[in-house]
Amino acid sequence: NAGVTQTPKFQVLKTGQSMTLQCAQDMNHNSMYWYRQDPGMGLRLIYYSASEGTTDKGEVPNGYNVSRLNKREFSLRLESAAPSQTSVYFCASSNLRQGFNSPLHFGNGTRLTVT
Amino acid sequence: KNQVEQSPQSLIILEGKNCTLQCNYTVSPFSNLRWYKQDTGRGPVSLTIMTFSENTKSNGRYTATLDADTKQSSLHITASQLSDSASYICVVSGTGRGSTLGRLYFGRGTQLTVWP
Repeated sequence: NAGVTQTPKFQVLKTGQSMTLQCAQDMNHNSMYWYRQDPGMGLRLIYYSASEGTTDKGEVPNGYNVSRLNKREFSLRLESAAPSQTSVYFCASSNLRQGFNSPLHFGNGTRLTVT
Repeated sequence: KNQVEQSPQSLIILEGKNCTLQCNYTVSPFSNLRWYKQDTGRGPVSLTIMTFSENTKSNGRYTATLDADTKQSSLHITASQLSDSASYICVVSGTGRGSTLGRLYFGRGTQLTVWP
């Protein structure tokens, strides 16, 4: 039982390059999320998908796009990478049926450096 | 302004000792409070979730307390082990608009190091 799987684990991009971060969960969760974690700051929500077919902006959506490909997969795309997007990106999922007391299940992150 | 503040920022203890981490929040209205453990290079893992009506919740050697009146929570670790070395993150869920979980407010974490 893998839980939440993120690929790649590490990536280095040059300014202006594009890439897609992949995330898949095998827990049959309805909701999926993308966060970024920067040194000295709490996790910040980029985008989320409450259910298959829906996506919404979080706190810091600028420069990113997302696709909920199916119930299992939720990808994050950087169209034109900037040094300010250097960060660790975490995908998470939760069981909508548990409501507000549902814990988040995180992947192990993608470490992205933009030069 | 809704905020979550954790203290101390970092802590070093000897193996076998107990410790307590603090979390103060100003999030209102409040839905629940969570503690996560994040090992270096890994994603956060849920330890406990407490609603406003719960005062104490345990998960093995981890015991979380919540005082919703003073908006304070603590995480007590008993008989620490080397594997407890990690960052401990306090997360408060507010009600209202936002994701299906409500709006989540993350603290910056307390970095705990356990020495042998």
